[in-house]
Amino acid sequence: EIVLTQSPATLSLSPGERATLSCRASQSVSSYLAWYQQKPGQAPRLLIYDASNRATGIPARFSGSGSGTDFTLTISSLEPEDFAVYYCQQRSNWPDTFGQGTRLEIK
Amino acid sequence: QLQLQESGPGLVKPSETLSLTCTVSGGSISSSSYYWGWIRQPPGKGLEWIGSIYYSGSTYYNPSLKSRVTISVDTSKNQFSLKLSSVTAADTAVYYCASFDSSSSVWGQGTLVTVSS
Repeated sequence: EIVLTQSPATLSLSPGERATLSCRASQSVSSYLAWYQQKPGQAPRLLIYDASNRATGIPARFSGSGSGTDFTLTISSLEPEDFAVYYCQQRSNWPDTFGQGTRLEIK
Repeated sequence: QLQLQESGPGLVKPSETLSLTCTVSGGSISSSSYYWGWIRQPPGKGLEWIGSIYYSGSTYYNPSLKSRVTISVDTSKNQFSLKLSSVTAADTAVYYCASFDSSSSVWGQGTLVTVSS
């Protein structure tokens, strides 16, 4: 089973700042990595698929990069609605696995 | 537009079997474009993949749950189902069903299942 480790666990930033979230895989997942956003009481929402492709309707301030074992989700300028928990997910090997999440909170 | 909705009991007794159904609308569960999955989230914790099923009927389960999990499809009702046997309090969670294709993912709203006597 591929283990995904996200860092930091919590990120405290202010609106307008840039957020950089990391996801590291225990072995290569090629580019089969996705990022999700989850707000309280809601299901996760797909932001990025295949490491760097924005899902339909996702604002351009969200971008993803990386391949192999190291991946980054960047939010270029935080909006108030971006404060949430973010998860990475790999679809390279069964079973699919998720990282433990990064909580993005308002500073 | 694809939509998914979970249904099933919100309370299950310890040692019994948890059974949930996901009803798919706006698309066919037989489509080769998608695979279908169950994911759970214990209160205040992260996401755990339970298992998946393809249109062909092939299933893939999380090894940590494999001995207790069965996922199946009912094409006549456009539904897929989850059965988790011998549940304990550790199985208390919000259970999500979801669809996945090459560039999108659609999730149900989730349903809280509590294991308690």
